[in-house]
Amino acid sequence: AQSVAQPEDQVNVAEGNPLTVKCTYSVSGNPYLFWYVQYPNRGLQFLLKYITGDNLVKGSYGFEAEFNKSQTSFHLKKPSALVSDSALYFCAVRDNSGYALNFGKGTSLLVTP
Amino acid sequence: DAGVIQSPRHEVTEMGQEVTLRCKPISGHDYLFWYRQTMMRGLELLIYFNNNVPIDDSGMPEDRFSAKMPNASFSTLKIQPSEPRDSAVYFCASSLETVRTGELFFGEGSRLTVL
Repeated sequence: AQSVAQPEDQVNVAEGNPLTVKCTYSVSGNPYLFWYVQYPNRGLQFLLKYITGDNLVKGSYGFEAEFNKSQTSFHLKKPSALVSDSALYFCAVRDNSGYALNFGKGTSLLVTP
Repeated sequence: DAGVIQSPRHEVTEMGQEVTLRCKPISGHDYLFWYRQTMMRGLELLIYFNNNVPIDDSGMPEDRFSAKMPNASFSTLKIQPSEPRDSAVYFCASSLETVRTGELFFGEGSRLTVL
């Protein structure tokens, strides 16, 4: 089954510092990988996706993600964190049907001033 | 575009009562998904539809749960009878079949509390 794992429940970073939220994947075939963000009491919002091509994917709000096939990872990154980036971040992978998404448990990001 | 619209946003009910959650997908989208979010289990796929037809309902927890999509612009998720362990946030999402590698668009969710 296609799955992702987010090893950290919470990540704390100071405003202005770079941030990384980790994700590893387990798939058969080509991985279709996604990052979503969820703000309190809101639905999930799409940030970026990797389908094929460049290993560095750029997305919304200054976020980017690095696809690493040898390490089966798809870490989310941002060069300079903002307090407003504090939210719950989900990594996801297309399931075997190719249509639904399987989500990780989520990582809570807290950016302090 | 108004996005995916869910109602109600909040529902508090007593054990044994029937609960109906509603979803209006983005116009033109032909895939619709129902997910459930809890602290313990994270985001779980319950069921999804293609062109109003249920494709995979293997995630529906038990017979108390049912979902329908009578037309392209409306879907319901029903729980009868409800139990306290059904308390969760239920999300509806939609997507386009023609963009198989595209993203899912989520609604704001319906927070259900069963007392």
